[in-house]
Amino acid sequence: EAEVAQSPRYKITEKSQAVAFWCDPISGHATLYWYRQILGQGPELLVQFQDESVVDDSQLPKDRFSAERLKGVDSTLKIQPAELGDSAMYLCASSSNGVPDTQYFGPGTRLTVL
Amino acid sequence: RKEVEQDPGPFNVPEGATVAFNCTYSNSASQSFFWYRQDCRKEPKLLMSVYSSGNEDGRFTAQLNRASQYISLLIRDSKLSDSATYLCVTMDSSYKLIFGSGTRLLVRP
Repeated sequence: EAEVAQSPRYKITEKSQAVAFWCDPISGHATLYWYRQILGQGPELLVQFQDESVVDDSQLPKDRFSAERLKGVDSTLKIQPAELGDSAMYLCASSSNGVPDTQYFGPGTRLTVL
Repeated sequence: RKEVEQDPGPFNVPEGATVAFNCTYSNSASQSFFWYRQDCRKEPKLLMSVYSSGNEDGRFTAQLNRASQYISLLIRDSKLSDSATYLCVTMDSSYKLIFGSGTRLLVRP
């Protein structure tokens, strides 16, 4: 069964450092989502891509967060500089144009900022 | 006020029990509704979609009341493996998922 891939699975960094997360969606899925899940809360959408274009980044803290999906396939989410409050699980999901209401989640990257 | 509200629990029930979770949502324009299951430190996985007519999948039954903006999940004959966090989720017209904070279920032997 096809899966969404994410790396790294775990990342520990010090505040003020830069971190980057990578996501490879299910092949053929045009829509890619990045979510952040703080412990004890549900995931919250950070950014949504349709192919290589950003559809929604209204909840992305653009002073420190950036996301790209240059060729409309895999995607990178970057934080620079990281802050203590960024400690969370970062989840990537994808969906196809044919079934847009079904999102498949990757295993996530757990970020700890010290 | 959160868009999707859930009782955080935990619900602690014995094996074989029936347990029900509820959630309310504030956006009346929400288009689709789901229950996701999330195991500890894992990604959310779709448990089932929720339809206005109600739907059942084995031991799981979901109901939607659009007038009251209320969604429910019923689990019959609880198994130890049902222990997880259950996330109530709505979807808006741009296919953006809005998650509740989850209800934690613990099934004890």
